[in-house]
Amino acid sequence: QSALTQPASVSGSPGQSITISCTGTSSDIGDNNFVSWYQQHPHTVPKLMIYEVNNRPSGISSRFSGSKSGNTASLTISGLQAEDEADYYCNSCTSSKTFVFGSGTTVLVL
Amino acid sequence: QVQLVESGGGVVQPGRSLRLPCVASDFSISSYAMHWVRQAPGKGLEWVAVIWSNGITKNYADSVKGRFTISRDDSKNTLYLQMNSLRDEDTAVYYCAREGLRAAGRGTGGFDYWGQGTLVTVSS
Repeated sequence: QSALTQPASVSGSPGQSITISCTGTSSDIGDNNFVSWYQQHPHTVPKLMIYEVNNRPSGISSRFSGSKSGNTASLTISGLQAEDEADYYCNSCTSSKTFVFGSGTTVLVL
Repeated sequence: QVQLVESGGGVVQPGRSLRLPCVASDFSISSYAMHWVRQAPGKGLEWVAVIWSNGITKNYADSVKGRFTISRDDSKNTLYLQMNSLRDEDTAVYYCAREGLRAAGRGTGGFDYWGQGTLVTVSS
């Protein structure tokens, strides 16, 4: 149950698009489509942004989108805004019906 | 509205036990898979355990297997995490979270609701 691999940080200017990768194995990301993404601002509770690879919960901006190819999932934030500066975590269900989070990525808005 | 409230955290010595309750409001925990997730100070999220809606199937992270037990009391609409043989590395904020339903009515729609968390500090 090793953590999924994410870049430590990704940065972009306001209005730009950024993509956060999340790399796993054939036993987690590559095994199913139950990949989700969470946003966490400092000292707050994580917030669900994407589920089932590319579905947005009600109320989540369409600027957030998800995709998956093989053992790697991605979260794209388009039209980057200052409020997007936060930590982002991916999560996947595994073939053993456990779950695993990514190592986390800090998004910096320059 | 949907609410999850954890409690039971505190300072505990290594090797001791602690039980964390998570009281749910405005939905029945028996209809959802329910999870525990933890976050060590300044660190990332770590998934801990799940109890499926059938109340029977339970799965654990390797780091807690054999020491932690997830359970629920449907009459109290409360989720629990029994933590035994606590270690320094178990120090973290513990969150309970609901696994959302997809359009087809089954999990996993991600962890759609989270509690505010309760801090557990393991220290002598």
